[in-house]
Amino acid sequence: DVQLVESGGGLVQPGGSRKLSCAASGFTFSSFGMHWVRQAPEKGLEWVAYISSGSSTIYYADTVKGRFTISRDNPKNTLFLQMTSLRSEDTAMYYCARKSFAYWGQGTLVTVSA
Amino acid sequence: ETTVTQSPASLSVATGEKVTIRCITSTDIDDDMNWYQQKPGEPPKLLISEGNTLRPGVPSRFSSSGYGTDFVFTIENTLSEDVADYYCLQSDNMPYTFGGGTKLEIK
Repeated sequence: DVQLVESGGGLVQPGGSRKLSCAASGFTFSSFGMHWVRQAPEKGLEWVAYISSGSSTIYYADTVKGRFTISRDNPKNTLFLQMTSLRSEDTAMYYCARKSFAYWGQGTLVTVSA
Repeated sequence: ETTVTQSPASLSVATGEKVTIRCITSTDIDDDMNWYQQKPGEPPKLLISEGNTLRPGVPSRFSSSGYGTDFVFTIENTLSEDVADYYCLQSDNMPYTFGGGTKLEIK
């Protein structure tokens, strides 16, 4: 079965950094592009970033461009999201999802607060 | 960037009734629209993917239609278990964009 498990969330001070991970299993990770999607408390879904299977193609939402970096380690079946210069509006549940969005993790919560 | 306008923001129906949710895009996206269901405390679940394709295991009471800029998601004979938030997502061009969501309640 396809499994995606996010980790790395927690409480971060404004201006701080955090690195999220998404451990993938049950499929050939290196063959699929991957996304990060976030959802602020009681709000809708927001697409954050995408990375192609070989890392050659990367896209970001304008709201995170220049602050967040998506990357992956194919031999370790892991997706990452490095977040810097965090703001209160980055507070959200962060989900990783496989390319077609058919598979999602359970999410990891990032709270940006002093 | 393609903007996706979803309506209504919420609706309340009796079991057995029909639900209709609409998403309008600011650019032509062919049929690259996807529909998701999200229940409290859970990640979104893909119900319908590009080309109005019902995902395996999803009940046939869920359906969608549309092409270009106007898309409709329908639930026939709504059940109490369908209480959830529903979202559309355009996957035609980056950045991918979600609709604002529709909260479905049962009367």
